[in-house]
Amino acid sequence: SQQGEEDPQALSIQEGENATMNCSYKTSINNLQWYRQNSGRGLVHLILIRSNEREKHSGRLRVTLDTSKKSSSLLITASRAADTASYFCATADTGANSKLTFGKGITLSVRP
Amino acid sequence: DTAVSQTPKYLVTQMGNDKSIKCEQNLGHDTMYWYKQDSKKFLKIMFSYNNKELIINETVPNRFSPKSPDKAHLNLHINSLELGDSAVYFCASSPLGFYGYTFGSGTRLTVV
Repeated sequence: SQQGEEDPQALSIQEGENATMNCSYKTSINNLQWYRQNSGRGLVHLILIRSNEREKHSGRLRVTLDTSKKSSSLLITASRAADTASYFCATADTGANSKLTFGKGITLSVRP
Repeated sequence: DTAVSQTPKYLVTQMGNDKSIKCEQNLGHDTMYWYKQDSKKFLKIMFSYNNKELIINETVPNRFSPKSPDKAHLNLHINSLELGDSAVYFCASSPLGFYGYTFGSGTRLTVV
């Protein structure tokens, strides 16, 4: 069953602007991850934030996690045309045989 | 040097046929997965293997049979293909524990 729900479903911004994408989930998690998928390609892991962390940075990416609200956000600063892609949040449950459950994805278009 | 490689990249076949997709990873990861991505980009886990042992089998029709001859390989055999099997199938791998996944570039299966 689906766990993460991203918001918005599609986002179009100008190059240089910041892009904020949100994700909500339903059950307890061990960690939450964000992935990028370029058209016709596989998914690329961007960043992982554990349930006991609140914020994490990686280059132009900033991820926050609020376990009380069961939500996360991904901020891409100073966006570039090359950031155009689909972005997915995925949650890892706390079970012994943990698996990643993906949301529907957000389509980000960055206009040059 | 590809970390997770899948073959073939494209597969077009008629209903009722049997086909296989192969996956290999050279990362030394213990766990491998098969995901199915539908036309709306929704990703759903199908199977997970840990060191050749099946650990996750998500209500997938028994026409789908995974096989892991060793921990670096996970193949997917599909019998009696149906139109609804058309999708992109992704193989992924991860170290044991709670880490990000490395995905292959996908196999686009079209059943006609």
